[in-house]
Amino acid sequence: AQKITQTQPGMFVQEKEAVTLDCTYDTSDPSYGLFWYKQPSSGEMIFLIYQGSYDQQNATEGRYSLNFQKARKSANLVISASQLGDSAMYFCAEDYGQNFVFGPGTRLSVLP
Amino acid sequence: GAVVSQHPSRVICKSGTSVKIECRSLDFQATTMFWYRQFPKQSLMLMATSNEGSKATYEQGVEKDKFLINHASLTLSTLTVTSAHPEDSSFYICSATSGQGIGNYGYTFGSGTRLTVV
Repeated sequence: AQKITQTQPGMFVQEKEAVTLDCTYDTSDPSYGLFWYKQPSSGEMIFLIYQGSYDQQNATEGRYSLNFQKARKSANLVISASQLGDSAMYFCAEDYGQNFVFGPGTRLSVLP
Repeated sequence: GAVVSQHPSRVICKSGTSVKIECRSLDFQATTMFWYRQFPKQSLMLMATSNEGSKATYEQGVEKDKFLINHASLTLSTLTVTSAHPEDSSFYICSATSGQGIGNYGYTFGSGTRLTVV
């Protein structure tokens, strides 16, 4: 079964610094998609970035970029220039064609 | 962009009563909707998948008679928690897809419902 691992239960970062949130996945499917979502305390799931398994380049969306290393099966999220509003839970997820499987999440705290 | 409206956002109910949660896709046809449950400090766990006009497919360990899912139209799916008990208190969130990759690369989440059973 597909499995997503996020090894960092909690992370701290100083405001304006960059931070990397780790994500590894386990799939044998050749075609898949990887997502990152942000979940603030309000509970909504905010889509951040997507990487397709056949994409040649790493995805970027504003301050978010995805360090996709296919051979290692890792899809780390990099947030540049952290802001206080970035404090939230972050979930990595894989779309394997039928549904999502979510990782356990990383709680990011941005320090002023 | 694609929007899914979920309500209520918060509900408190008495033990033994039923609660209905609605998810509506506002600007696309949701051929498939997913219902998740999230306990505090945990990840989202899929409860069931529903395709419009078909019976929902429940994940292992989810009681289909307790969590009734209806997806009667392409824009509306409902989750009814029947005979709710305090252990059903959780955050419930839906996700919808048209299967055509619009909005958020195909999946749009509702804003969630925080259910408290007292």
